[in-house]
Amino acid sequence: GAVVSQHPSRVICKSGTSVKIECRSLDFQATTMFWYRQFPKQSLMLMATSNEGSKATYEQGVEKDKFLINHASLTLSTLTVTSAHPEDSSFYICSADRVGYGYTFGSGTRLTVV
Amino acid sequence: QKEVEQNSGPLSVPEGAIASLNCTYSDRGSQSFFWYRQYSGKSPELIMFIYSNGDKEDGRFTAQLNKASQYVSLLIRDSQPSDSATYLCAVNEGNKLVFGAGTILRVKS
Repeated sequence: GAVVSQHPSRVICKSGTSVKIECRSLDFQATTMFWYRQFPKQSLMLMATSNEGSKATYEQGVEKDKFLINHASLTLSTLTVTSAHPEDSSFYICSADRVGYGYTFGSGTRLTVV
Repeated sequence: QKEVEQNSGPLSVPEGAIASLNCTYSDRGSQSFFWYRQYSGKSPELIMFIYSNGDKEDGRFTAQLNKASQYVSLLIRDSQPSDSATYLCAVNEGNKLVFGAGTILRVKS
């Protein structure tokens, strides 16, 4: 199969703090993972493409210094939201592509910044 | 960025009917097309993908692709109340996916 695990599923943090979200491919190796953000009643917006062993590629308008991405191994990518503010509250979802299985999504992380 | 268009709905169908969901895309170079189902508060779940013109069937689901018309559709036969969700169409742009806004489907029992 193509299972992607994402943790935590829900996090509440104070404004100004940082939050790390992990995304793991459990039964395959993923040289590339994708990070999305979804606001209520809106579709998924790609934030960045995470590449194992190299720098992430960010979409236009996404602050790379605020959303730090690390893809240190073939099965793990992390997204750190630095100095979080209430407007960063959203549903963050990672995804990976396994040939023959399509793009599979993690279960998502609901971030609430208070 | 290339565009993927879907009717936002809601599309309401009675239980047991066929639900037809449509999607158009702007990038003629796209090669891979995906349908996802997303329940409220959950992440998208892959239903099926299609690469070639024509139909592809998987259980109650049939994806139809027409590259000349830049059109991809999803048919759900024998619709069930549990099929009520938002259906997202996605098209590849290089190694990335571009998503439509989604169509809300409501199956009424």
